[in-house]
Amino acid sequence: KNEVEQSPQNLTAQEGEFITINCSYSVGISALHWLQQHPGGGIVSLFMLSSGKKKHGRLIATINIQEKHSSLHITASHPRDSAVYICAVAYSGGGADGLTFGKGTHLIIQP
Amino acid sequence: GAGVSQSPSNKVTEKGKDVELRCDPISGHTALYWYRQSLGQGLEFLIYFQGNSAPDKSGLPSDRFSAERTGGSVSTLTIQRTQQEDSAVYLCASSRGQGGAGELFFGEGSRLTVL
Repeated sequence: KNEVEQSPQNLTAQEGEFITINCSYSVGISALHWLQQHPGGGIVSLFMLSSGKKKHGRLIATINIQEKHSSLHITASHPRDSAVYICAVAYSGGGADGLTFGKGTHLIIQP
Repeated sequence: GAGVSQSPSNKVTEKGKDVELRCDPISGHTALYWYRQSLGQGLEFLIYFQGNSAPDKSGLPSDRFSAERTGGSVSTLTIQRTQQEDSAVYLCASSRGQGGAGELFFGEGSRLTVL
């Protein structure tokens, strides 16, 4: 079964710092998702990618298919970025269970 | 509707009672997912529908859990003889793609508390 590992599990940083969250998986995938969940809030899709790099505002997501690794970067971090960031992957075989989730990275940005 | 709609948003029930949770996905989204999130825990996959069919129901925690989707749209998740360990937020998501290869849109969830 494909496992999804995220690191770090917890991250506290100061406002303005550059943030990197990592996601590794073990078998071939068709797509990788980055999701955001604010405390007590719903889940929002940030990115879906299968190759290369995507950018939206201060967020950048990259994926290296050969290394089975993805990173989510936040530039000029702000306290409102404090949330849980979740990586999820879809198997190449179009797995019957849809998606496998990482356990999430709890990010706190202090003013 | 504009987004994925779930109801009820909150449900408190007594142990042993049956509950039904509803998910109304975004129109045209063929893929529908049910997950649950226990307090302080990550997302746990329950079931995935592509159209009206569920390729794999093995994520359902026990035979007390069942789900159906009719007309390729609304889905209901039913929990029979609820137990305290069923307390969680039950989340529904939908997407255009299949097998996870489409942008996901999540509902706000149904918070279930079993006393």
